[in-house]
Amino acid sequence: GNSVTQMEGPVTLSEEAFLTINCTYTATGYPSLFWYVQYPGEGLQLLLKATKADDKGSNKGFEATYRKETTSFHLEKGSVQVSDSAVYFCALGNTPLVFGKGTRLSVIA
Amino acid sequence: DAGVIQSPRHEVTEMGQEVTLRCKPISGHNSLFWYRQTMMRGLELLIYFNNNVPIDDSGMPEDRFSAKMPNASFSTLKIQPSEPRDSAVYFCASSFGGYTFGSGTRLTVV
Repeated sequence: GNSVTQMEGPVTLSEEAFLTINCTYTATGYPSLFWYVQYPGEGLQLLLKATKADDKGSNKGFEATYRKETTSFHLEKGSVQVSDSAVYFCALGNTPLVFGKGTRLSVIA
Repeated sequence: DAGVIQSPRHEVTEMGQEVTLRCKPISGHNSLFWYRQTMMRGLELLIYFNNNVPIDDSGMPEDRFSAKMPNASFSTLKIQPSEPRDSAVYFCASSFGGYTFGSGTRLTVV
């Protein structure tokens, strides 16, 4: 079945540092891929998505590229801010979505 | 749109009591999902509905858990009897293409 593996956290970075959160997947076919973000005390929000191989999703300075050859969808941001502190979830599929375990990011000033 | 509305936001109950969590999906969304989030197991899909019909309940941990969707604007997740290991944050999400999550119900069973 479909599954997602994302890097263990927590990740702690200084403001303006470069961020990478790794995500790899196992799937039959070519499902859509997503990154969701969860701020403290809130539900998950869609951050970005990609629906086919080589697509790049982007939003709020975050990017991820759907890599079929490496079955990966790594999340990157060139310069993180304190306000980016949250838990990030990689997910795949359509209905229902399959989520990774989440990676907690803390950005310190 | 007010988004997906869950109630209550917090629930503390004693072991053995019945607990009912409620969800109002976004109008027009035809799929509804119940997830449970814990530190140990992450986000787990419990059950989902399509057009009010349960499609997959294989994630429901045991018979103590039940879910209903009597109409397109309301769903409940019930735990009877509750146990301390049920303590978690329970999320409802609705979908018509993309997913929208509610803010969750934090359940503590003591």
